[in-house]
This record gives sequence, C-alpha cells and structure tokens, in this order.
Amino acid sequence: QVQLVQSGAEVKKPGASVRLSCKASGFTFTRHFIHWVRQAPGQGLEWVGMINPSGTWTRYAQRFQGRVTMTRDTSTSTAYMDLNSLTSEDTAVYYCARDGEHFGDNEYWGQGTLVTVSS
Amino acid sequence: QSALTQPPSASGSPGQSVTISCSGTSSDVGGYNYVSWYQQHPGKAPRLMISEVTKRPSGVPNRFSGSKSGNTASLTVSGLQADDEADYYCSSYTGSDNYVFGTGTKVTVL
Repeated sequence: QVQLVQSGAEVKKPGASVRLSCKASGFTFTRHFIHWVRQAPGQGLEWVGMINPSGTWTRYAQRFQGRVTMTRDTSTSTAYMDLNSLTSEDTAVYYCARDGEHFGDNEYWGQGTLVTVSS
Repeated sequence: QSALTQPPSASGSPGQSVTISCSGTSSDVGGYNYVSWYQQHPGKAPRLMISEVTKRPSGVPNRFSGSKSGNTASLTVSGLQADDEADYYCSSYTGSDNYVFGTGTKVTVL
C-alpha cells in the first residue's frame, strides 16, 4: 500500500534551517509529484510547493521563494524539503503528499512533521 | 495568492445535508476545473474527498459531491453522519503550476 513516512519533530532557533524528509513506498516513486503543505497551530492548510516526478523542476508558493528548496532522491525514494531563515511564523506541521489520479489532487499524505521555531 | 474564501462553520443534524462554498476568482476556481476538497479530523492528515470539481476517489462515500458555478465551488455532504464532523478545505489550481487552499470550514453535526 502507498505510504509516506515523514521524519520526526524538530525544534529550531530563529534564523536556523531545517530539513524534512518523506520516505515513500508502495508505488513507483519516479512517476508521481510530491507536494508539501503546512499547517500552523489552529490554522488552515497552506501549499508550500511541489517537485516533479524526476526531480528536475520545482514550483514554490511565492511567499516561500528564496527560502525553500525541494529535492528528491530516487535511489532511496525519499523527498526532502529544506526551509531556511526560520522565524516563529514557520512553526507548523509540515505534510508531504503524493498526487492522485486526477490533476491537482493529493491523494496520499504523510503523517506530518511538527517544526517548532523558538528561541 | 490569497486563500480561497470559505465560511468558518457549517452545521446540520444527522441525516440532513450541508453545503460548503469556496469562493475564488477567475484566476483560480473560475479559470480551471481543478478544484479538490479535503476532510481533516483533529490531529490527522487531510483526506482527499473530491478531485477535479466533481470526481470522488475510490473509497469516498457517494454522500459527498462537488460542483462549481463561476468562481465558486461547493461541496455537499448528504445524509450527515457523526464521523462527517471535521474541517473541510478546498484547493484550486491557480496556473503556472501553483495551488491555493481555502480558509477552511468546520462542520458540526448537531
């Protein structure tokens, strides 16, 4: 079955960087987009960006451009998201998600990784 | 890109129907038939309920249906059940390989 297993919770200081991972199994990794979505405490979902199946291009929401980098390692079926210059506003649960059968949907989700930014 | 607008809350009694709106612009909801809906229970990851405005993924009950008119998409939940109580989010393609979520709606089953 399709599984996306994310790395564990992180606590970072303001100005630091964080790398999150998302290990995929149960499907052909090189055939699917991976999206990253975040959710601040008590808030709604926010699309961060995505990486194409081969890892050759990415698209980021404008507010994250210059601060986020998404990559993927096909040898380990793992997707990564790096976010730098962290502030308290980056405190959130970060989800990775895999596209489904139809355009623009995210049918499979990881369990989420809580990133806490605090001095 | 601003978040799509959803009502903060909606409610209905068991067995009744509830409809949630998702308002955008001609650059997102109105411009593409690529609206998805997600259900999220507290502390859980979102679950895809509707794709491409009207399509239900395998395993989603047919009590859930989607539609769109102009710049507004809607999700209708018929025959409300206790487990339908959750937060619901719409999402739309906005062009140039970008996406935006709605503000979210908390559905309460009375």
